[in-house]
Amino acid sequence: GDSVTQMEGPVTLSEEAFLTINCTYTATGYPSLFWYVQYPGEGLQLLLKATKADDKGSNKGFEATYRKETTSFHLEKGSVQVSDSAVYFCALHQAGTALIFGKGTTLSVSS
Amino acid sequence: EADIYQTPRYLVIGTGKKITLECSQTMGHDKMYWYQQDPGMELHLIHYSYGVNSTEKGDLSSESTVSRIRTEHFPLTLESARPSHTSQYLCASSEYAGDTGELFFGEGSRLTVL
Repeated sequence: GDSVTQMEGPVTLSEEAFLTINCTYTATGYPSLFWYVQYPGEGLQLLLKATKADDKGSNKGFEATYRKETTSFHLEKGSVQVSDSAVYFCALHQAGTALIFGKGTTLSVSS
Repeated sequence: EADIYQTPRYLVIGTGKKITLECSQTMGHDKMYWYQQDPGMELHLIHYSYGVNSTEKGDLSSESTVSRIRTEHFPLTLESARPSHTSQYLCASSEYAGDTGELFFGEGSRLTVL
C-alpha cells in the first residue's frame, strides 16, 4: 500500500542554519503531497502542498519540490528561526482515500 | 483560520470513568476524523466519517466510539477509561467535494487517565 517515510528526529539547529527534512513516498498512482506543521500545544496546520510532479510548494520561507523520479518531497528552508521549532509531518493523498502521514520530525532551533 | 474546536483541551480523570471529547466545525465540511497521537508524535487514524450517520473505524483499533448526528459535530466517547487511553486526541475535517486532501485540525484534547 501507499506509504510515507520521513527522516527521524529530533533535528537540532542553530538560528539561521539551513534546514532539510527528507521525505520519500511509495504510491501506486499520482498522489498529492503535503507538509503539515504542529507547533507546541497546537493541532496540525497545512504548511505547503504540491499536486503534481515538478510542482514546488512554498510558504513562510519553506519550500518542497515534488520529484517523481526520486519519489521525494524534501522540505527546505534557507534560514530557520526559533519560531520554526515544531513537529513537521509529510503526507500523501490519493483521491477517495484518507491522508497518509509520515511519523513526524521534531525540529528544535536554538538562538 | 480554521474553525474547528475541541473541548476539553485537557482532561485528567480516574480509571473507569466515561468521557466524551467534543469536536465541532463551522465550515460545513462533510468529512471528519479522529486521530490519536502517541508520545513520539506519530498520528494514528482511529475514526472517520464522510457525513451524517456515517462512521468508520480507522487504521488503529480503538475502544472509543463516535457518532455523527449533525454535520458540524463529531464527538468521541470512551465508556470506561483506562490508563492505556492516555493520549492526545486530534479532530480534523475536510471538504468532500474536490477531495483535495487538505485537513483542518482542532487544537487537540489531551487525556490523562490515572
